[in-house]
Amino acid sequence: DAGVIQSPRHEVTEMGQEVTLRCKPISGHDYLFWYRQTMMRGLELLIYFNNNVPIDDSGMPEDRFSAKMPNASFSTLKIQPSEPRDSAVYFCATGEGNEKLFFGSGTQLSVL
Amino acid sequence: GNSVTQMEGPVTLSEEAFLTINCTYTATGYPSLFWYVQYPGEGLQLLLKATKADDKGSNKGFEATYRKETTSFHLEKGSVQVSDSAVYFCALSDLTGRRALTFGSGTRLQVQP
Repeated sequence: DAGVIQSPRHEVTEMGQEVTLRCKPISGHDYLFWYRQTMMRGLELLIYFNNNVPIDDSGMPEDRFSAKMPNASFSTLKIQPSEPRDSAVYFCATGEGNEKLFFGSGTQLSVL
Repeated sequence: GNSVTQMEGPVTLSEEAFLTINCTYTATGYPSLFWYVQYPGEGLQLLLKATKADDKGSNKGFEATYRKETTSFHLEKGSVQVSDSAVYFCALSDLTGRRALTFGSGTRLQVQP
């Protein structure tokens, strides 16, 4: 298995633009997590899914953020409109439960 | 709620030195405890875990013991290598059913040759 695949690796956009981050989980994993990492706030859980159903989205900063998991092999995190304070590394992680998470390589987002 | 406190970094050591990274936690009940490692430019990966009091997790020369009495899970290695330079995260599981790990803020380790 190729592991958790995230795309793009780097995204540079201008304030106000829509940003879509993508994640392909490891086959068979029924949990999918979206995290955000910054120097100031460290690693933050944004949302997680179990069997494609969102379970806890209390970490989503505001209505500009949305996440979907239309099937077991794909998830997206969308920011619309983007703001400079959204600049961070966004990680997708999957697992069979939460004891052993496999992280993707992350998407480095820069909003100018 | 659950929380994890780690020592602030960076921790700078010479190769072959002894490593300790402190981690203490606050939780209801007895969660499972974990150490994850993040190498430069990569996502986190599980390093070791312990599921009950007095358990010792170990991997790649790293060890950590689940201490219920001190609510601690300190990470140790007897002789670090330059390749151990990374950010180390302590984490705990949640027993309330939320089932998302709570991570500490991470401790950066820099090992100099």
